[in-house]
Amino acid sequence: EAQVTQNPRYLITVTGKKLTVTCSQNMNHEYMSWYRQDPGLGLRQIYYSMNVEVTDKGDVPEGYKVSRKEKRNFPLILESPSPNQTSLYFCASGRGTGELFFGEGSRLTVL
Amino acid sequence: GENVEQHPSTLSVQEGDSAVIKCTYSDSASNYFPWYKQELGKRPQLIIDIRSNVGEKKDQRIAVTLNKTAKHFSLHITETQPEDSAVYFCAASRPNQAGTALIFGKGTTLSVSS
Repeated sequence: EAQVTQNPRYLITVTGKKLTVTCSQNMNHEYMSWYRQDPGLGLRQIYYSMNVEVTDKGDVPEGYKVSRKEKRNFPLILESPSPNQTSLYFCASGRGTGELFFGEGSRLTVL
Repeated sequence: GENVEQHPSTLSVQEGDSAVIKCTYSDSASNYFPWYKQELGKRPQLIIDIRSNVGEKKDQRIAVTLNKTAKHFSLHITETQPEDSAVYFCAASRPNQAGTALIFGKGTTLSVSS
């Protein structure tokens, strides 16, 4: 089954404690991206990757890092989480100019 | 910078009525305009899309229209049903990114009451 898998789905953490949200896709997509969803603000792009070892900033990259060492994986790293990073995070992948496939989302709370 | 404006932010209709959601985009180089539906607690999923060489596209009860000159596009849902209740996002392709790169509107919460 074609899918984008994110983990963890839910996480409560404390300020400053490094965390990683993993994202994996099995559709051999070149393009992957991370979005955060906040009430009234829609889906805002954090980082994206057009292929292995190629990453770039989206609209709200501050406080986040990513890596793309393998085509299928695109982890999102919060080195020192802060409360303003409390959000619902979606990983997505796609090929060419077409449909984006989203993961199920990861709800993060930073206390 | 690139921007997608979406209106209204909330929309309430009676079952059987039509619903229209409108979006405008800023970059004339955008050429792909999808619409995503997000049900409560679920992921966004593509429901219909349109490319810049087409003015209208229809799929059963949903249709999308595109006016490239005015840089706006709209989603039309006819004969609405309670299961149409969800958040709808419009999006436009980002010309400075390759691949499936999109900038999203802020969403419209559609409520269909029976």
